[in-house]
Parts: sequence; C-alpha cells; structure tokens
Amino acid sequence: DADVTQTPRNRITKTGKRIMLECSQTKGHDRMYWYRQDPGLGLRLIYYSFDVKDINKGEISDGYSVSRQAQAKFSLSLESAIPNQTALYFCATRARGAAGELFFGEGSRLTVL
Amino acid sequence: GIQVEQSPPDLILQEGANSTLRCNFSDSVNNLQWFHQNPWGQLINLFYIPSGTKQNGRLSATTVATERYSLLYISSSQTTDSGVYFCAVGKNTGNQFYFGTGTSLTVIP
Repeated sequence: DADVTQTPRNRITKTGKRIMLECSQTKGHDRMYWYRQDPGLGLRLIYYSFDVKDINKGEISDGYSVSRQAQAKFSLSLESAIPNQTALYFCATRARGAAGELFFGEGSRLTVL
Repeated sequence: GIQVEQSPPDLILQEGANSTLRCNFSDSVNNLQWFHQNPWGQLINLFYIPSGTKQNGRLSATTVATERYSLLYISSSQTTDSGVYFCAVGKNTGNQFYFGTGTSLTVIP
C-alpha cells in the first residue's frame, strides 16, 4: 500500500458541485500539503498544514478550503467547482524540521465540466 | 518566492544516450529535490540533494548551492526514463517548495 493515499483518483463533476479530495498518510509526518498541477506547468501550492491546529494558505488558495481531521488526514474541498479548477491535484507530506523530503500521493485527476 | 528555471524544456534521446538536465534557482536554498513524473502522472522521488553529489544506478545529481544550480545526469537512457523531470527547492525559513516547469524527456527505441 502507498504511504500517501489519495481518493478519488479520478473524478468528473459539473460546475457548481461541491467536491472533496481526501489524503491519508502512514508516514507519521506532521506536515501535509495540497498542490495543483496544470498541463505544462510545475506544481503550485494550495494549502499546507503543520499539525491539526495549523492551517496555512499557499499561493493559490482562492476557491479552495481544507480540513486537517487528524495528523494522518488532510482533505481539500472545492465548495463550488468551476471549469478552471480542472487539474491534477497532489497531496504531499514531509517530516518536521528544516530539512527533509516531500513525499507525494499518486494524484487525483479532477475534471469540471 | 524563489524562481526555478529548468533546461532544456524538451529533450528527445535515442535509447542508450546520456543527458544532463539543469535546474537554476534565484535564491539560497536548504532543500532541493529532483522528481520524475511518469506517463501515468505519478511523482517519483529521485534525489534529495541540497548540496553535493549523489548517485543511484544510472542516475546521478550534483548541487552547487553557492552557485544556485543543480544538475541531473541520466546515463544509458531507457524508454522507461521517459516523462517529466522536476526540480523543487525550498528554504528552511519557509514552508513552501518551489517547482520548476520541468524537462520533458522522451527516449525512443
């Protein structure tokens, strides 16, 4: 089983619908992140969390919200999906401390019609 | 934020050839990673290399932090090396990793 698991892996929805992407990890890491990837671009940070009580906006947080339900779970919500939120979404984790690798989930491909 | 530039943007190689991918960044960093995104979209960790040189099989990487660049070497390329290679950097005092736009590699038989 993957250390960082995302669900769903693929989702097609309609404009205006509420969508939740879920991420769970077994690495025991404190830090969790949501990134978005658009075709031909690198990854951009949406939100990040250092622990259950700590949530921070990234560079492209508008239109998104998150919930850190437990150390191991971090969910991303689109309250009212729009077509330009069609993208590949990644969850990532990282251990506490200044140095350390990012570990990514397998990605969630979202299409908003 | 930190600007990350990767070159070349696209690369086509014959199987068995060698290649060098470059990552330049605009500020001092304490974290640097190389990733391979396979054709299925999965991001695979290749190297965590804020400084120095590392090797893993046919792949190796070197980061010269004082000159703000990192290089990824692929030797004897195989078709399974195809995909997009990303460099990501970050600072101790910040929480964000900044990604380049990647190098798209195609290895043809």
